[in-house]
Amino acid sequence: SAVISQKPSRDICQRGTSLTIQCQVDSQVTMMFWYRQQPGQSLTLIATANQGSEATYESGFVIDKFPISRPNLTFSTLTVSNMSPEDSSIYLCSVVGSQGGETQYFGPGTRLLVL
Amino acid sequence: QKEVEQDPGPLSVPEGAIVSLNCTYSNSAFQYFMWYRQYSRKGPELLMYTYSSGNKEDGRFTAQVDKSSKYISLFIRDSQPSDSATYLCAMSLNNYQLIWGAGTKLIIKP
Repeated sequence: SAVISQKPSRDICQRGTSLTIQCQVDSQVTMMFWYRQQPGQSLTLIATANQGSEATYESGFVIDKFPISRPNLTFSTLTVSNMSPEDSSIYLCSVVGSQGGETQYFGPGTRLLVL
Repeated sequence: QKEVEQDPGPLSVPEGAIVSLNCTYSNSAFQYFMWYRQYSRKGPELLMYTYSSGNKEDGRFTAQVDKSSKYISLFIRDSQPSDSATYLCAMSLNNYQLIWGAGTKLIIKP
């Protein structure tokens, strides 16, 4: 399995500001995913980040709010823009495992609190 | 109705007990079934991965898939306090999009 790190691990931000979350993988991977996990709820896929192309966003998520970069096969960033308290959540990146796209491995997550 | 239903718990059992965790789903086309474990303040960790129906065993963990009933289970034998975590089921069609349960919080009492 891949080793995934995220920065920052947590942050407290003021409404109206933006935060960029970094995801670093110890091996080259084709597909990376960004999820949001709100307390007591399922993981929700935000977008799929492919190297060399624009991210693909799920229903309810837009690029202006959650811009994603994928400059190479080991790194991606997710920016949460113009934050509001409703954006308080855990943000997770994941990568496809060796068994195929159905097996995903996750980073430790970034805990975001927006005041 | 959610595509995947999972009782959020908490489920509290004594150490050494057999634990049964379950998910039901509505989409009969799901082919891939996974169980993840998530400790507090950590990302989900893949525990079991099953394709189609049947059982899969790995140490103290057994995953079962009953496609006719649209029901999957995870059994933990000889449960330990270190098994205390939230257990999430996930499933998918033949693509990369996982559909997740809400997770069951499990507490193993010493």
